[in-house]
Amino acid sequence: RKEVEQDPGPFNVPEGATVAFNCTYSNSASQSFFWYRQDCRKEPKLLMSVYSSGNEDGRFTAQLNRASQYISLLIRDSKLSDSATYLCVVRPNTGGFKTIFGAGTRLFVKA
Amino acid sequence: DTAVSQTPKYLVTQMGNDKSIKCEQNLGHDTMYWYKQDSKKFLKIMFSYNNKELIINETVPNRFSPKSPDKAHLNLHINSLELGDSAVYFCASSQGYGSQETQYFGPGTRLLVL
Repeated sequence: RKEVEQDPGPFNVPEGATVAFNCTYSNSASQSFFWYRQDCRKEPKLLMSVYSSGNEDGRFTAQLNRASQYISLLIRDSKLSDSATYLCVVRPNTGGFKTIFGAGTRLFVKA
Repeated sequence: DTAVSQTPKYLVTQMGNDKSIKCEQNLGHDTMYWYKQDSKKFLKIMFSYNNKELIINETVPNRFSPKSPDKAHLNLHINSLELGDSAVYFCASSQGYGSQETQYFGPGTRLLVL
């Protein structure tokens, strides 16, 4: 089983749609969780951290379920510019070196 | 005012050659990393360098050697290049080493070994 698993997609949605991605992780000692965004042929960039109580940043909502070992990302009112690959990132409490990236979920938002 | 920069952006070379990729960050960060993203888009950490301490991912062949002349630079030297080394290599940095630290990535170096 991979340490971090994501549905690769692609998700094809119309503008204005709501779309959700899930990510599961295998190491119960995982401490920190993030969503990164990677545009085609670009570097990954932090989208948001994921906190235990769940958190929201504009149209983006992240949730963490430690019992089931998954995190989610919800995008409301999708924009064309949201088209990208979304990477789930998991890190244990031993620090940055053990950062594990998922393979990413591809999102296409169409007009 | 690029935060994390890498050179070169593209590198095409023959099998067996030795090459280096340079990385510089102007964020004043203490920790730097090298990642490899293969054709299947998996991003895997190769090295972490924090306050002169090098942490190696033991699955990385010893043909790969990071060198850090100072806190702002972490270069990657690759000996005897192989076809399987073809990938995108990303440098990243973070303020510290903690699990909550945000990592900032450079634009990547696309390496093609022929």
